[in-house]
This record gives sequence, C-alpha cells and structure tokens, in this order.
Amino acid sequence: QKEVEQNSGPLSVPEGAIASLNCTYSDRGSQSFFWYRQYSGKSPELIMFIYSNGDKEDGRFTAQLNKASQYVSLLIRDSQPSDSATYLCAVEGGGNKLVFGAGTILRVKS
Amino acid sequence: KAGVTQTPRYLIKTRGQQVTLSCSPISGHRSVSWYQQTPGQGLQFLFEYFSETQRNKGNFPGRFSGRQFSNSRSEMNVSTLELGDSALYLCASSSATSSYGYTFGSGTRLTVV
Repeated sequence: QKEVEQNSGPLSVPEGAIASLNCTYSDRGSQSFFWYRQYSGKSPELIMFIYSNGDKEDGRFTAQLNKASQYVSLLIRDSQPSDSATYLCAVEGGGNKLVFGAGTILRVKS
Repeated sequence: KAGVTQTPRYLIKTRGQQVTLSCSPISGHRSVSWYQQTPGQGLQFLFEYFSETQRNKGNFPGRFSGRQFSNSRSEMNVSTLELGDSALYLCASSSATSSYGYTFGSGTRLTVV
C-alpha cells in the first residue's frame, strides 16, 4: 500500500514568515511529486510539481525533493493570509493515479 | 480555455437511490480520473479513464462505476447509496498520464440522507 504522510497541523505562521510543509512517501520508485492547495469548500489547485532531486522555485514557492530520504517539502516565503489553506502532497502512484496525503492546514496570521 | 466542468454542484439523495455525476474535461485532455474526498479518508482514487477505457480502479465496491464517452466526457454512477457515500466527488483531467498532475473540477457535493 503506497502511502503519503503529512502532518495535519494546523501550522500557524505570522504574516511575512516562511511556512515549511513536509511530506514523506513510502514508494521508493515514485518519480513525480505534486503540491496542491485547497481552500475551504473549493477543489484542489496544482501549485507545484517536482521530478528531480533538489529545489524548484516558482515565485514565493519552493519545492524540495530528497529521494534518498523519501521526503518532499514546500516552502512558502513571505506568507500572506491568502495562503491560509490546506496543502496536499501527492505522489504519482503508478497506474495513472496520484496518491494524496491527508493534507496540512496552514494558517497565516496577520 | 475552459476548465474541468462537473455537474451538478450539489446533490441530495436518499439511501438506496442511485446517482450519476458528470464531468467534462479540459478540451484536448483524454484522461479523466475520479476521486472521493471525505474528512476522514481524504482524497481516495476511484478510477481513471482514457479513450473510453478504464485503465485503473481504486478499492471501492462495485456500486461505484464509471464510463467515458468518445468526446472524453465521463460519468460516474453510484448505486444503492449509503450514508457513508456522502462526500465531495472530484473529477480531474490530464492530457495522458498523471505524470504532469491533474486539473480538478469544482466537484459535486453529494449528501445521502
């Protein structure tokens, strides 16, 4: 059973701080990794994907992947109240499906 | 470019009834996946269709079924509804595989009473 683990939170950070979200996965053969953001009552929205070890930056977001340790993280710089949402880590699970973690609730306080 | 369209947005059904949900993927996308999202279980994979063929199926009972039409639109059906089927049902489309991620529709909120 392929698993994706996330700390459910909530993770509370002050406005302007860096939010760090973490995710571990069990399938060492996984190749593609994704971060989705889901606002309350809305559907998930893809914000980052990463395939290679190391960092990938897109605006205020940085995804970090370490395949040897089987973890992927998301850093949000200069956090804003509008970043308050649930962040879902997903791993390609084979068979053309994504396996999602339970999500981490992020609260950015102004 | 239109996104993924799901209808209806909200649905209330009685136990024992059946329901059909519809999904129109992004134009040009041939892969459609369905997920069930509940507070307790999170996002659970139901099935995936590509070019009218089911390529993968999750661990759900046979009451959950789906199909895809030649225009890539997809439907999922749940028969003999149970209270535990109350959930947000999300459709996601991609060009071919999950390797590049999905785009989700707004979902159908199903409540079984």
